[in-house]
Amino acid sequence: EADIYQTPRYLVIGTGKKITLECSQTMGHDKMYWYQQDPGMELHLIHYSYGVNSTEKGDLSSESTVSRIRTEHFPLTLESARPSHTSQYLCASRQNTEAFFGQGTRLTVV
Amino acid sequence: TQLLEQSPQFLSIQEGENLTVYCNSSSVFSSLQWYRQEPGEGPVLLVTVVTGGEVKKLKRLTFQFGDARKDSSLHITAAQPGDTGLYLCAGGATDSWGKLQFGAGTQVVVTP
Repeated sequence: EADIYQTPRYLVIGTGKKITLECSQTMGHDKMYWYQQDPGMELHLIHYSYGVNSTEKGDLSSESTVSRIRTEHFPLTLESARPSHTSQYLCASRQNTEAFFGQGTRLTVV
Repeated sequence: TQLLEQSPQFLSIQEGENLTVYCNSSSVFSSLQWYRQEPGEGPVLLVTVVTGGEVKKLKRLTFQFGDARKDSSLHITAAQPGDTGLYLCAGGATDSWGKLQFGAGTQVVVTP
């Protein structure tokens, strides 16, 4: 069973609000990732991290930012939410080959 | 440009039928993984293949890694409704060990 947790599971928020999606893992993994996914569609990598104080932008341009101050914690922040940000956000971590995913945060911006 | 191309995009079959899903790339991968994702959940790893030509079996699922480590296939024998889900392949390229790239996925629906 994967020890990676995302909160909240569901979030409905108004346009212009600042939000932070939380992701924590207790496996001590160095590599962590954020993906954006629309229902039944492909995963788009938006941010990743190789370890503490390391963050990189992924392949999909995103207005979000991330931080990696502690190994176990990789939060994603949207300074000003817009309806175009409505999607599912998946966090993952891995040490070697296998990636472990959280259950995701379903974000709706109205 | 998608690094990993999966085909078909969608597959609907009857219970008991067989199916094959493909994952192809022009890049060489140090390893390739298959995940299954159910609605509202994160993907869950099914298998990792690392050696060119490798074949792995997981009950009714058979995974094959191409000799050149650029492609893979997933074959399901006698599909069951519980096999329904989005099947994703993911590759760790030899020159970008940190990033894990996913294919677009194949949506499989198995009806009773």
